[in-house]
Amino acid sequence: EDKVVQSPLSLVVHEGDTVTLNCSYEVTNFRSLLWYKQEKKAPTFLFMLTSSGIEKKSGRLSSILDKKELFSILNITATQTGDSAVYLCAVGRRGAQKLVFGQGTRLTINP
Amino acid sequence: GAVVSQHPSRVICKSGTSVKIECRSLDFQATTMFWYRQFPKQSLMLMATSNEGSKATYEQGVEKDKFLINHASLTLSTLTVTSAHPEDSSFYICSARVQGAETEAFFGQGTRLTVV
Repeated sequence: EDKVVQSPLSLVVHEGDTVTLNCSYEVTNFRSLLWYKQEKKAPTFLFMLTSSGIEKKSGRLSSILDKKELFSILNITATQTGDSAVYLCAVGRRGAQKLVFGQGTRLTINP
Repeated sequence: GAVVSQHPSRVICKSGTSVKIECRSLDFQATTMFWYRQFPKQSLMLMATSNEGSKATYEQGVEKDKFLINHASLTLSTLTVTSAHPEDSSFYICSARVQGAETEAFFGQGTRLTVV
């Protein structure tokens, strides 16, 4: 059975800290791994990763995929209170349109 | 990026009534759309995959007679919660991916359903 596991499930840090969120997966016919940020409504897209070892970066956020060890990390540096959200990891499979989601990591940034 | 519009964003209905939620892809054709349910502080739970012109594929444990899905055109899928009960109260989200393209899934804004 396909599985996506995120850790930690919950994280509370102070503004300015750096955080690393983890996502490991076990899926057949892996195609891509996606990160989303969800605040109060629908998830917004952050990154899509398909190749190992290539870091994707957007401002203070970055992510990398390790297809050998079957995991990805999402880094957020110099965190701000606006980064508080649930971060979702999802995996897409070849030949399938639907995504398999992890449980999410609830990140809280305290001022 | 592509836009998916979901309507309504919030609805309150009485027990026993039915509620229809619409999901539209505004600038691309979506032969496949997905319907999720999300309980407070939990992740997205896939309910069903909506296929244009054919029957939806429901995930295990989801009642197809309770959650009716219609995908009559390449840009519109609807989810109807029939004979709603308070336990159906939840956040419902649709998403779509551009067919055949290596892209992310685009999500609608979500619908918060409250059954009283």
